[in-house]
Amino acid sequence: GESVGLHLPTLSVQEGDNSIINCAYSNSASDYFIWYKQESGKGPQFIIDIRSNMDKRQGQRVTVLLNKTVKHLSLQIAATQPGDSAVYFCAENINTGFQKLVFGTGTRLLVSP
Amino acid sequence: DAGVTQSPTHLIKTRGQHVTLRCSPISGHKSVSWYQQVLGQGPQFIFQYYEKEERGRGNFPDRFSARQFPNYSSELNVNALLLGDSALYLCASSLTEHYGYTFGSGTRLTVV
Repeated sequence: GESVGLHLPTLSVQEGDNSIINCAYSNSASDYFIWYKQESGKGPQFIIDIRSNMDKRQGQRVTVLLNKTVKHLSLQIAATQPGDSAVYFCAENINTGFQKLVFGTGTRLLVSP
Repeated sequence: DAGVTQSPTHLIKTRGQHVTLRCSPISGHKSVSWYQQVLGQGPQFIFQYYEKEERGRGNFPDRFSARQFPNYSSELNVNALLLGDSALYLCASSLTEHYGYTFGSGTRLTVV
Protein backbone atom coordinates (compact mmCIF):
# COMPACT_ATOMS: atom_id res chain seq x y z
CA GLY A 1 0.00 0.00 0.00
CA GLU A 2 1.02 3.60 -0.38
CA SER A 3 2.56 5.57 2.43
CA VAL A 4 0.36 7.90 4.43
CA GLY A 5 3.21 10.25 5.23
CA LEU A 6 6.66 10.39 3.69
CA HIS A 7 8.46 12.89 5.91
CA LEU A 8 6.68 12.65 9.23
CA PRO A 9 8.43 12.60 12.59
CA THR A 10 9.14 8.97 13.39
CA LEU A 11 9.20 7.12 16.69
CA SER A 12 10.92 3.73 16.58
CA VAL A 13 10.39 1.33 19.48
CA GLN A 14 10.90 -2.33 20.29
CA GLU A 15 7.95 -4.64 20.74
CA GLY A 16 6.89 -4.61 24.38
CA ASP A 17 8.16 -1.09 25.04
CA ASN A 18 5.84 1.74 26.03
CA SER A 19 5.39 4.48 23.41
CA ILE A 20 4.63 8.14 23.96
CA ILE A 21 3.47 10.30 21.07
CA ASN A 22 3.16 14.03 21.62
CA CYS A 23 1.06 16.70 19.99
CA ALA A 24 0.68 20.45 20.33
CA TYR A 25 -2.68 22.00 19.52
CA SER A 26 -3.48 25.53 18.55
CA ASN A 27 -6.87 26.66 19.78
CA SER A 28 -7.47 27.39 23.47
CA ALA A 29 -11.21 27.12 22.88
CA SER A 30 -11.08 23.52 21.62
CA ASP A 31 -13.41 21.42 23.75
CA TYR A 32 -12.69 17.92 22.58
CA PHE A 33 -9.62 16.06 21.39
CA ILE A 34 -9.18 12.77 19.58
CA TRP A 35 -6.29 10.50 18.71
CA TYR A 36 -6.49 8.63 15.41
CA LYS A 37 -4.41 5.81 13.99
CA GLN A 38 -3.97 5.67 10.23
CA GLU A 39 -2.57 2.66 8.45
CA SER A 40 -1.41 2.72 4.87
CA GLY A 41 -4.29 2.91 2.43
CA LYS A 42 -6.91 3.39 5.14
CA GLY A 43 -8.80 6.23 6.75
CA PRO A 44 -8.11 7.48 10.28
CA GLN A 45 -9.29 5.06 12.95
CA PHE A 46 -10.50 6.35 16.32
CA ILE A 47 -8.31 5.35 19.26
CA ILE A 48 -9.33 7.46 22.23
CA ASP A 49 -10.81 10.87 22.98
CA ILE A 50 -10.82 13.32 25.85
CA ARG A 51 -12.91 16.34 26.68
CA SER A 52 -11.34 19.61 27.76
CA ASN A 53 -12.65 19.29 31.32
CA MET A 54 -10.46 16.22 31.86
CA ASP A 55 -6.68 15.84 32.04
CA LYS A 56 -6.37 12.07 31.67
CA ARG A 57 -8.34 9.24 30.16
CA GLN A 58 -7.46 5.58 29.90
CA GLY A 59 -8.49 2.94 27.44
CA GLN A 60 -7.25 -0.51 26.65
CA ARG A 61 -3.42 -0.17 26.51
CA VAL A 62 -3.77 3.54 25.70
CA THR A 63 -3.82 6.66 27.83
CA VAL A 64 -4.34 10.23 26.71
CA LEU A 65 -3.05 13.14 28.74
CA LEU A 66 -4.19 16.71 28.21
CA ASN A 67 -2.30 19.77 29.46
CA LYS A 68 -4.37 22.81 28.64
CA THR A 69 -1.85 25.20 30.17
CA VAL A 70 0.68 24.48 27.45
CA LYS A 71 -1.83 23.18 24.88
CA HIS A 72 -0.28 19.74 24.75
CA LEU A 73 -1.68 16.26 24.25
CA SER A 74 0.08 12.96 24.54
CA LEU A 75 -0.83 9.39 23.68
CA GLN A 76 0.75 6.61 25.66
CA ILE A 77 0.63 3.09 24.30
CA ALA A 78 1.55 0.34 26.73
CA ALA A 79 3.34 -2.84 25.62
CA THR A 80 3.56 -1.68 22.01
CA GLN A 81 2.97 -4.37 19.40
CA PRO A 82 3.98 -4.60 15.72
CA GLY A 83 0.30 -4.10 14.84
CA ASP A 84 0.53 -0.64 16.41
CA SER A 85 2.83 0.49 13.59
CA ALA A 86 1.00 3.32 11.81
CA VAL A 87 0.78 7.09 11.60
CA TYR A 88 -0.87 8.70 14.62
CA PHE A 89 -2.70 12.02 14.47
CA CYS A 90 -4.13 14.15 17.20
CA ALA A 91 -7.15 16.24 16.30
CA GLU A 92 -8.90 19.07 18.09
CA ASN A 93 -12.59 19.72 17.68
CA ILE A 94 -13.22 23.38 17.00
CA ASN A 95 -16.66 24.92 17.23
CA THR A 96 -17.00 28.07 15.15
CA GLY A 97 -20.72 27.80 14.62
CA PHE A 98 -20.13 24.35 13.20
CA GLN A 99 -17.89 21.47 14.21
CA LYS A 100 -14.66 20.67 12.46
CA LEU A 101 -11.59 18.65 13.31
CA VAL A 102 -8.17 20.25 12.97
CA PHE A 103 -5.47 17.62 12.67
CA GLY A 104 -1.87 17.79 13.83
CA THR A 105 1.11 16.89 11.66
CA GLY A 106 1.17 13.22 12.55
CA THR A 107 3.82 10.89 13.94
CA ARG A 108 4.88 7.61 12.38
CA LEU A 109 5.28 4.80 14.92
CA LEU A 110 7.52 1.92 13.88
CA VAL A 111 7.50 -1.14 16.12
CA SER A 112 10.25 -3.70 15.67
CA PRO A 113 9.69 -7.34 16.72
CA ASP B 1 -22.88 -3.23 10.25
CA ALA B 2 -21.19 -1.51 7.36
CA GLY B 3 -18.92 1.40 8.20
CA VAL B 4 -18.58 4.54 6.14
CA THR B 5 -18.26 3.52 2.51
CA GLN B 6 -16.68 5.65 -0.17
CA SER B 7 -16.51 5.20 -3.91
CA PRO B 8 -14.55 4.93 -6.00
CA THR B 9 -11.46 3.84 -4.06
CA HIS B 10 -9.05 5.19 -6.67
CA LEU B 11 -9.36 7.29 -9.78
CA ILE B 12 -7.17 9.20 -12.17
CA LYS B 13 -8.34 12.41 -13.82
CA THR B 14 -6.79 14.94 -16.19
CA ARG B 15 -6.30 18.59 -15.33
CA GLY B 16 -9.41 20.62 -16.07
CA GLN B 17 -11.79 17.70 -15.68
CA HIS B 18 -14.54 17.34 -13.12
CA VAL B 19 -14.86 14.61 -10.49
CA THR B 20 -17.62 13.34 -8.22
CA LEU B 21 -16.82 11.36 -5.10
CA ARG B 22 -19.46 9.50 -3.13
CA CYS B 23 -19.97 8.64 0.51
CA SER B 24 -22.49 6.49 2.35
CA PRO B 25 -22.55 7.14 6.10
CA ILE B 26 -23.08 4.59 8.81
CA SER B 27 -26.75 3.69 9.03
CA GLY B 28 -28.50 6.20 11.27
CA HIS B 29 -25.79 8.84 11.01
CA LYS B 30 -27.15 12.16 9.81
CA SER B 31 -23.95 14.18 9.53
CA VAL B 32 -21.29 13.83 6.86
CA SER B 33 -18.01 15.73 6.70
CA TRP B 34 -15.42 15.78 3.94
CA TYR B 35 -11.67 16.09 4.43
CA GLN B 36 -8.72 16.33 2.03
CA GLN B 37 -5.48 14.63 2.96
CA VAL B 38 -2.44 15.51 0.93
CA LEU B 39 0.42 13.02 1.15
CA GLY B 40 2.50 13.65 4.25
CA GLN B 41 -0.07 15.83 6.01
CA GLY B 42 -3.06 15.49 8.28
CA PRO B 43 -6.58 15.71 6.87
CA GLN B 44 -7.98 19.18 6.23
CA PHE B 45 -11.65 20.03 6.66
CA ILE B 46 -13.62 20.80 3.49
CA PHE B 47 -17.35 20.60 4.34
CA GLN B 48 -19.80 19.49 6.99
CA TYR B 49 -23.39 18.57 6.16
CA TYR B 50 -26.15 17.79 8.64
CA GLU B 51 -29.73 16.95 7.77
CA LYS B 52 -29.02 17.82 4.13
CA GLU B 53 -27.85 21.34 4.92
CA GLU B 54 -24.33 22.71 4.70
CA ARG B 55 -23.21 23.53 8.23
CA GLY B 56 -19.68 24.60 7.54
CA ARG B 57 -17.06 25.05 4.88
CA GLY B 58 -13.29 25.05 5.10
CA ASN B 59 -10.79 27.19 3.26
CA PHE B 60 -11.25 25.65 -0.17
CA PRO B 61 -12.06 27.37 -3.48
CA ASP B 62 -15.52 27.43 -5.02
CA ARG B 63 -14.44 24.64 -7.36
CA PHE B 64 -15.27 22.37 -4.44
CA SER B 65 -18.94 21.73 -3.74
CA ALA B 66 -20.94 19.07 -2.01
CA ARG B 67 -24.44 17.99 -1.22
CA GLN B 68 -26.25 15.56 1.04
CA PHE B 69 -29.21 13.51 -0.10
CA PRO B 70 -32.41 12.53 1.77
CA ASN B 71 -30.84 9.15 2.61
CA TYR B 72 -27.90 11.09 4.17
CA SER B 73 -25.40 9.92 1.57
CA SER B 74 -23.21 12.65 0.16
CA GLU B 75 -21.30 13.70 -2.93
CA LEU B 76 -18.21 15.86 -3.18
CA ASN B 77 -17.71 17.56 -6.53
CA VAL B 78 -14.53 19.20 -7.72
CA ASN B 79 -14.48 21.19 -10.97
CA ALA B 80 -11.56 22.31 -13.11
CA LEU B 81 -9.15 19.90 -11.46
CA LEU B 82 -5.62 21.04 -10.71
CA LEU B 83 -2.56 18.91 -10.09
CA GLY B 84 -2.67 20.10 -6.47
CA ASP B 85 -6.06 18.49 -5.98
CA SER B 86 -4.35 15.10 -5.96
CA ALA B 87 -5.03 13.75 -2.50
CA LEU B 88 -6.90 11.22 -0.41
CA TYR B 89 -10.46 12.45 0.08
CA LEU B 90 -12.00 11.25 3.31
CA CYS B 91 -15.61 11.17 4.37
CA ALA B 92 -16.58 11.01 8.05
CA SER B 93 -20.04 10.41 9.43
CA SER B 94 -21.48 11.05 12.87
CA LEU B 95 -24.82 10.55 14.52
CA THR B 96 -25.29 14.25 15.13
CA GLU B 97 -23.33 17.26 13.98
CA HIS B 98 -21.29 17.07 17.18
CA TYR B 99 -18.45 14.64 17.88
CA GLY B 100 -18.25 10.91 17.26
CA TYR B 101 -16.81 10.97 13.74
CA THR B 102 -16.08 7.71 11.93
CA PHE B 103 -13.96 7.90 8.82
CA GLY B 104 -14.18 5.91 5.63
CA SER B 105 -11.11 4.56 3.83
CA GLY B 106 -11.14 7.41 1.38
CA THR B 107 -10.91 7.96 -2.36
CA ARG B 108 -7.41 8.38 -3.75
CA LEU B 109 -7.62 11.01 -6.52
CA THR B 110 -4.69 11.50 -8.84
CA VAL B 111 -4.75 14.44 -11.25
CA VAL B 112 -2.33 14.21 -14.19
